[in-house]
Amino acid sequence: GAVVSQHPSRVICKSGTSVKIECRSLDFQATTMFWYRQFPKKSLMLMATSNEGSKATYEQGVEKDKFLINHASLTLSTLTVTSAHPEDSSFYICSARIPGRYGYTFGSGTRLTVV
Amino acid sequence: KQEVTQIPAALSVPEGENLVLNCSFTDSAIYNLQWFRQDPGKGLTSLLLIQSSQREQTSGRLNASLDKSSGRSTLYIAASQPGDSATYLCAAPSGNTPLVFGKGTRLSVIA
Repeated sequence: GAVVSQHPSRVICKSGTSVKIECRSLDFQATTMFWYRQFPKKSLMLMATSNEGSKATYEQGVEKDKFLINHASLTLSTLTVTSAHPEDSSFYICSARIPGRYGYTFGSGTRLTVV
Repeated sequence: KQEVTQIPAALSVPEGENLVLNCSFTDSAIYNLQWFRQDPGKGLTSLLLIQSSQREQTSGRLNASLDKSSGRSTLYIAASQPGDSATYLCAAPSGNTPLVFGKGTRLSVIA
């Protein structure tokens, strides 16, 4: 139980284009989801908290206009990287709290490469 | 602000050896701590979740301990296997931040 599905797993895009990453909770409802970014050989860093039906909360230093988050339903949150540049290339991963417990479950991640 | 440190950064052991991965955290006011496994280019698999009221949790060959007073947790892997090769991440919550991660320990188990 408590499975989070993330798509796509890999995406390569041209500089200046936008890319959308989806995160779905398959067997539970998630009013809150979390988006992380991971640089090579670095820790996962929280980018933003996605709240169903309201605006996302961004961590300090994360550009709201570049990383658009939409949490339109209780099972879907999307992260759109707008006007992507090579420095946005990274591993993005979403997470949700496991219902009824204190732990978190994670998606399989998206490897974004901007060329 | 929570900071999580993992030692060692990398570890290589022969198959069958027992090993310990270390995690320390600066803010001991946590309500739980979670250990994850990450395979290259993949997402995170939750291994063990220890509540603040617990001192340890076990799952198969894995045993995780938690000492809030000293700000430490350890992950013990018994009888290591090549399939255990992965990066192991320790994570603890901090205030309103759901999880703060360490940089991980990259484990290689040599057959």
